[in-house]
Amino acid sequence: AQRVTQPEKLLSVFKGAPVELKCNYSYSGSPELFWYVQYSRQRLQLLLRHISRESIKGFTADLNKGETSFHLKKPFAQEEDSAMYYCALKDTGFQKLVFGTGTRLLVSP
Amino acid sequence: NAGVMQNPRHLVRRRGQEARLRCSPMKGHSHVYWYRQLPEEGLKFMVYLQKENIIDESGMPKERFSAEFPKEGPSILRIQQVVRGDSAAYFCASSPPATDTQYFGPGTRLTVL
Repeated sequence: AQRVTQPEKLLSVFKGAPVELKCNYSYSGSPELFWYVQYSRQRLQLLLRHISRESIKGFTADLNKGETSFHLKKPFAQEEDSAMYYCALKDTGFQKLVFGTGTRLLVSP
Repeated sequence: NAGVMQNPRHLVRRRGQEARLRCSPMKGHSHVYWYRQLPEEGLKFMVYLQKENIIDESGMPKERFSAEFPKEGPSILRIQQVVRGDSAAYFCASSPPATDTQYFGPGTRLTVL
């Protein structure tokens, strides 16, 4: 079965520190991976997707099929990065997203 | 474009009552998805609809839950005879045809007393 695991419920760092939010998945085919973010009092929004290979707000994520991981990284965290981050997987050929339980990132000054 | 709209934002029902949750997709979007988020859990897929058609309802509970997306008007998620375990946040998302990006609404928080 498809599964997305985000092992950390809370990640607390200081401003300027590097950040890595972990995401592992289990899926036998070729999944599409996404990171969604929810800032305080805002709706869930797409941050980035692995097929785009782009950097958004300084965040990057590389799909590692050998380790079945899609960790989200940023070299220097900012206070405005504080939010809830969800990793999600989409089965190729289907439309539904499978979400992890989320990691709350707290960036302190 | 106003974004995906959901109403009500908060809904309180007593056990045994019916809950109706509405979702208006973004303009030009013909695909709608419903997800449920229980406390301390991630969003769980419930159902995927296109206009007048249910495409994938593999995440819908077999009883009491139904969804529709009529030709005109919003998509409706209907929960009959609610129980305390139905208390959750229900999110709707929409997308245009032939795209993977789903745009989420603000959610409806259902509380069953």
